[in-house]
Parts: sequence; structure tokens; C-alpha cells
Amino acid sequence: ILNVEQSPQSLHVQEGDSTNFTCSFPSSNFYALHWYRWETAKSPEALFVMTLNGDEKKKGRISATLNTKEGYSYLYIKGSQPEDSATYLCAADSWGKLQFGAGTQVVVTP
Amino acid sequence: NAGVTQTPKFQVLKTGQSMTLQCAQDMNHNSMYWYRQDPGMGLRLIYYSASEGTTDKGEVPNGYNVSRLNKREFSLRLESAAPSQTSVYFCASTLGGGSETQYFGPGTRLLVL
Repeated sequence: ILNVEQSPQSLHVQEGDSTNFTCSFPSSNFYALHWYRWETAKSPEALFVMTLNGDEKKKGRISATLNTKEGYSYLYIKGSQPEDSATYLCAADSWGKLQFGAGTQVVVTP
Repeated sequence: NAGVTQTPKFQVLKTGQSMTLQCAQDMNHNSMYWYRQDPGMGLRLIYYSASEGTTDKGEVPNGYNVSRLNKREFSLRLESAAPSQTSVYFCASTLGGGSETQYFGPGTRLLVL
């Protein structure tokens, strides 16, 4: 079992501000790192899958970086909007089996 | 193209009752997964099926059984429900192998009294 930790557990952001949060995972037995966006009463929706050290992915105002050597990934939200309010999950992929972190809950207030 | 579907959406059971949660996908995916989600704990893998005809235990398999009925369907059975199994259950599927995006169903909310 890969121990995946996310911090902070929750954060409040003013509309228009940028923010970022962390996912840490054991660098051994690493295969891929997934980010999901999860809105209340919906199912998790994939954002990124990253495999290579130094990988950077971007989707609109959301981007992510990956450092496999030190075992962490950052997710960035630029110019936060109320619709960005959700829980963001990361998961370490060990040959198809995902170990999820507990998530970072983001609340964007107008 | 419905993606991943789950039934039922919500269920209330009494301790000791049994039930089967159904999951189906229409994306021709090879691998399917069952997770449970509890507050503050993220998603935990119960069982998975890497391909039709195979199933394997995940992190929290006790109290559950699964059947990969065919390539499309993967069911989760609670033989004797316990209050500790109160949770939201998600089914997911992926084309197969590592580093593939998993697609999730809408979830089944289960309450065991």
C-alpha cells in the first residue's frame, strides 16, 4: 500500500486569487500520479495523469507538476473561480491499482 | 454512451441483510474497480478485476465478494451487512494497465442500520 498524503486538508480562497496544494507519495514503486476533481454529490472526474519526473500538465486554469525523485506533486489553480470549489484528490498508481489521498477541499468565495 | 452506471443509487439495509451492488460500463474497458469512500479517508480500493475472469483483493476486502460477470459488468456483494459498511461505494473502469485514467460511476450510498 502506498501512503499518499495531501495538504492542506482544506483551504478557502477568494475569487480571483491563485492557490496551490500538495500531494506526497513514496517515490519507490511509483508508476504514475493521478489528479481528480470531485464535486459534492458527483463522481470523481479525471484531471491529469503524470508519469515522468518533471512532468507538467495544464487544463485551463489548473496545472500540475510532478517530482518523482522526492515524491511530490503540486496542483495549481490560477485566478480561482467559484466553480473551482471541489475536493481535489491525488492518487499514486501502482500498475493500475490506485492509492488515494484524503483530498484537499477547496472553497472559493466570491 | 452512458459510461459507468451503478445501481441502486441509495439503499438502506438492516444488520445481517445481504445485497448486491451492480456496476456496468459501455466503454469496452478491461479493468474494473470497487471503492468505498468514508469521510476523511478518501477512496479505498475494495476489489478490482484487471480483466474478464480475474478478480483480486484491494486494501479493504473483508466482508465483500465480487463477480466479474462479463467484460461489461462487475458486481459487489455484501453477504451479511454490518454498520461499518455504511459508506458510499464507487465503481470505476479503465482501459487497462497502469497510468490509465479511471472513469467513475455516480456512486451508491449505503446505510446499514
